Amino acid sequence: DMKVTQMPRYLIKRMGENVLLECGQDMSHETMYWYRQDPGLGLQLIYISYDVDSNSEGDIPKGYRVSRKKREHFSLILDSAKTNQTSVYFCASSLWGTGGYEQYFGPGTRLTVL
Amino acid sequence: SQWGEENLQALSIQEGEDVTMNCSYKTYTTVVHWYRQDSGRGPALIILIRSNEREKRSGRLRATLDTSSQSSSLSITAAQCEDTAVYFCAPRTGGYKVVFGSGTRLLVSP
Repeated sequence: DMKVTQMPRYLIKRMGENVLLECGQDMSHETMYWYRQDPGLGLQLIYISYDVDSNSEGDIPKGYRVSRKKREHFSLILDSAKTNQTSVYFCASSLWGTGGYEQYFGPGTRLTVL
Repeated sequence: SQWGEENLQALSIQEGEDVTMNCSYKTYTTVVHWYRQDSGRGPALIILIRSNEREKRSGRLRATLDTSSQSSSLSITAAQCEDTAVYFCAPRTGGYKVVFGSGTRLLVSP
């Protein structure tokens, strides 16, 4: 059963605290992504990872960093979280097929920074 | 229609009606993905259309792609209540990246 998991599902932090969001996939996909989604908006790409230790900035990388030490795990780190980083964060992994990349998304992590 | 800079669009229809959602994008692409997001869940791919297809069908879904006008549409025939969701178009922009539009919130009432 192809699956992307995210932990935790809900998180409340205070401004200035560090945050670790974790993502796992069981499909051996090489490519993984972190997005954030704010109310009424689409998904914005934070980082993309092409494989272990091969990460690239997305459209809004400021304030975030990532780590990928195993193909099946991709972490998003917020050093000294800010209130404007309150959002829902989605992890995805992708596979090339039939001319396009289908992305498989996790259930999301709702992060609140107070 | 939806694109990144636009606010979320909303459509409300009755069960059994047909509906079309439009998407226009700025960057030339040869592949447009359409994703569906149910409340509280991550998006899921529902249909993918390539430039050499112009039209693609999957069950009650029909997608079109016009590369000359850089636009795509998603139609649902005889909508059901379970079609209620947010629908995103996501053109492939290069490599492994797609860019998600702002989405269309579809509400289907009985």
